Amino acid sequence: KAGVTQTPRYLIKTRGQQVTLSCSPISGHRSVSWYQQTPGQGLQFLFEYFSETQRNKGNFPGRFSGRQFSNSRSEMNVSTLELGDSALYLCASSLGVGYYEQYFGPGTRLTVT
Amino acid sequence: DQQVKQNSPSLSVQEGRISILNCDYTNSMFDYFLWYKKYPAEGPTFLISISSIKDKNEDGRFTVFLNKSAKHLSLHIVPSQPGDSAVYFCAAAGTMEYGNKLVFGAGTILRVKS
Repeated sequence: KAGVTQTPRYLIKTRGQQVTLSCSPISGHRSVSWYQQTPGQGLQFLFEYFSETQRNKGNFPGRFSGRQFSNSRSEMNVSTLELGDSALYLCASSLGVGYYEQYFGPGTRLTVT
Repeated sequence: DQQVKQNSPSLSVQEGRISILNCDYTNSMFDYFLWYKKYPAEGPTFLISISSIKDKNEDGRFTVFLNKSAKHLSLHIVPSQPGDSAVYFCAAAGTMEYGNKLVFGAGTILRVKS
């Protein structure tokens, strides 16, 4: 069974631009969560989606948004990029609500210049 | 407020010996705990988990112990192998408020020397 895939793997953007990252969960997994990893803050939860609905959101500004499609694939968007948004963005999938074991993709490394 | 803490930034162990990684949590509402291993430039890999109704869970060389009264869990790797060298993250989950959200510790770098 294929794992979680994320595209693109690497991205360089300029301050003020916006970016969209994509995630395809493991087949059969219906819950998708996004995390940001930075050297200073570690792994921080961004949001969680299940059945195309956002179930939970972390403490990030409104510039960070996401959505989930009917096939469970998910995208996250960051608008008006700031230098501090440079990070590894990780997507994780699980079977569904209450299934805490999440399986991570390789991440998208975003660099904002 | 750091709800999940891994107080040892790094640990060095000889090949074949036991590695013990520790994790403390402050929120008594957490009821599920997980350990992940992470190599550079890769996503975290799920290793083992434990529910709060248990105090021990084993999977091959990996055993997780949970002490609810002390709000402490540990991961034992026996025997340690050079391929185990990675960053290990402890994570906690649980309560309806959190959904499937995982709260991670800062990680411990494990180096297994051959």
